[in-house]
Amino acid sequence: DAGITQSPRHKVTETGTPVTLRCHQTENHRYMYWYRQDPGHGLRLIHYSYGVKDTDKGEVSDGYSVSRSKTEDFLLTLESATSSQTSVYFCAISPGEETQYFGPGTRLLVL
Amino acid sequence: GNSVTQMEGPVTLSEEAFLTINCTYTATGYPSLFWYVQYPGEGLQLLLKATKADDKGSNKGFEATYRKETTSFHLEKGSVQVSDSAVYFCALSRDGATNKLIFGTGTLLAVQP
Repeated sequence: DAGITQSPRHKVTETGTPVTLRCHQTENHRYMYWYRQDPGHGLRLIHYSYGVKDTDKGEVSDGYSVSRSKTEDFLLTLESATSSQTSVYFCAISPGEETQYFGPGTRLLVL
Repeated sequence: GNSVTQMEGPVTLSEEAFLTINCTYTATGYPSLFWYVQYPGEGLQLLLKATKADDKGSNKGFEATYRKETTSFHLEKGSVQVSDSAVYFCALSRDGATNKLIFGTGTLLAVQP
């Protein structure tokens, strides 16, 4: 298994509060991604990173920001959580040959 | 734009039945195609992939052939087991520079003993 962990694994928060999800890898892969998974939508890309301090938006980036200050860590922040951001969030990593390896996911409930 | 369309689920089969999950895509050029599997409570795992037309990806008894003429990448297995129960996602990668994947909506497979 690819060395990729996500924390927390579960979180319940209230509307309007900030939330940060962490993705950590031990593979030294260049590319890291954040997806959200919702019924009827499959996985949708939020943001991705192609190197330290190099990030870009995906298809559903509104309301989310990311940071990558070290190769191994990719943080996803919801500045002010909304109920529409209740979802399962997956981090993925890739060495650059198209295949992506996924973390176990974080279940976020925004009340 | 690029997109992936999968058959709606759930697909319910008896053990040892033949499985087909349809996947078609829309993309410019020559994307790479993937099938990922998600077991309950887990992240996605790569099941198989194909990078050019007429390639056949295979793994764990599953197969899929890259058909450019029909823009399809259907997943098949000759004899399913209860342990194959999962959600299956078809995906394509068109951007070799960033390796971004575009996923279908997923198909739930339930195999009954």
